Amino acid sequence: GIQVEQSPPDLILQEGANSTLRCNFSDSVNNLQWFHQNPWGQLINLFYIPSGTKQNGRLSATTVATERYSLLYISSSQTTDSGVYFCAVALIGAGSYQLTFGKGTKLSVIP
Amino acid sequence: GAVVSQHPSRVICKSGTSVKIECRSLDFQATTMFWYRQFPKQSLMLMATSNEGSKATYEQGVEKDKFLINHASLTLSTLTVTSAHPEDSSFYICSAGQGAGGELFFGEGSRLTVL
Repeated sequence: GIQVEQSPPDLILQEGANSTLRCNFSDSVNNLQWFHQNPWGQLINLFYIPSGTKQNGRLSATTVATERYSLLYISSSQTTDSGVYFCAVALIGAGSYQLTFGKGTKLSVIP
Repeated sequence: GAVVSQHPSRVICKSGTSVKIECRSLDFQATTMFWYRQFPKQSLMLMATSNEGSKATYEQGVEKDKFLINHASLTLSTLTVTSAHPEDSSFYICSAGQGAGGELFFGEGSRLTVL
């Protein structure tokens, strides 16, 4: 099956700092999503971004499908950004809903 | 975005009992829903694909007789953990989308503890 690798596994930031999270995947995909899992376990949709660049406030994401990676940028981090960020992808032709998740990046933003 | 709701959010049960978890798409119809399982400090693993009006498709290693899935309508899928044991304790989370392909939305998740 498709492999999804996220880096770094853990990240500690001072409040106000910027960060980049990376997601590499091993095959062509037609669905890529970024999620933030809050302390209660709920997955919050951040971006649906199989290709291109999107921005939403302090967050932005870029997927380069031909090179099989995606980046999530967090600017001016806040303590509420803490949590686990997951990248998930679905293979072309395999049922684009069957998302495969990476292991996540655990982000801790300290005051 | 679309809203997917799960119930209950937390459940504690005795070993040997069965537990039912509901997943509803509140503002759209979903012919397909997905059930994931997450152990502490780990990622989400797909358990099964729930298809409205037909049998669910289970991932390798998932016991279909242990985890019964019913997708009786276009807005409701249920996961029943039968004869639950402590090793079934986990966080179960469902997802659904609005059409073929496209963005998936997740429920709030259900935390099951089996004593």
